[in-house]
Amino acid sequence: SAVISQKPSRDICQRGTSLTIQCQVDSQVTMMFWYRQQPGQSLTLIATANQGSEATYESGFVIDKFPISRPNLTFSTLTVSNMSPEDSSIYLCSVEGQGTYEQYFGPGTRLTVT
Amino acid sequence: GDSVTQMEGPVTLSEEAFLTINCTYTATGYPSLFWYVQYPGEGLQLLLKATKADDKGSNKGFEATYRKETTSFHLEKGSVQVSDSAVYFCALSDRSGTSYGKLTFGQGTILTVHP
Repeated sequence: SAVISQKPSRDICQRGTSLTIQCQVDSQVTMMFWYRQQPGQSLTLIATANQGSEATYESGFVIDKFPISRPNLTFSTLTVSNMSPEDSSIYLCSVEGQGTYEQYFGPGTRLTVT
Repeated sequence: GDSVTQMEGPVTLSEEAFLTINCTYTATGYPSLFWYVQYPGEGLQLLLKATKADDKGSNKGFEATYRKETTSFHLEKGSVQVSDSAVYFCALSDRSGTSYGKLTFGQGTILTVHP
């Protein structure tokens, strides 16, 4: 399994501002994923981030709102831009173990927008 | 598109009771199936998986069998403990096309076990 850390663990932000969330993995991985878990809800995939290419966004999510960087095989960032209270969620990154089909999740970033 | 449906919750049981959480899925390809658990205040952990029909995943006394004919992956445990209280998510990963590696989650089932 992979060990994944995220920063920050939580934040309270004002509407209209942006927050960048970092995800660090202890091993090199090809695919990294960003999910959102709205309060009391399940997880929804925002985008898939592969190193060396642009992120692939799911329906309902756009690059202008959730820009993603993937500068190397162990690190990625997700920015939540021009935030509104509806963006209050837990944001999680995950990676797939090599050849296992298993995905491992970071501890999440709890974002509250006021 | 792919989808996962879990039984309505929350589920409340007494310690040592038998647990079943139903999960059915719809997928265009031939998915891998997973159960994840989220303990209070903690992150999401992989509980068990199955990658092909009739496979049985097991871990910590929990089991689930990949039933292709009924498109189901029900989670079971013979004797639950208070420490099993958590939210349980059924999920699938479809390896086909543009969905490669994407996890599709069910809505989650809250389990509370009383002493």
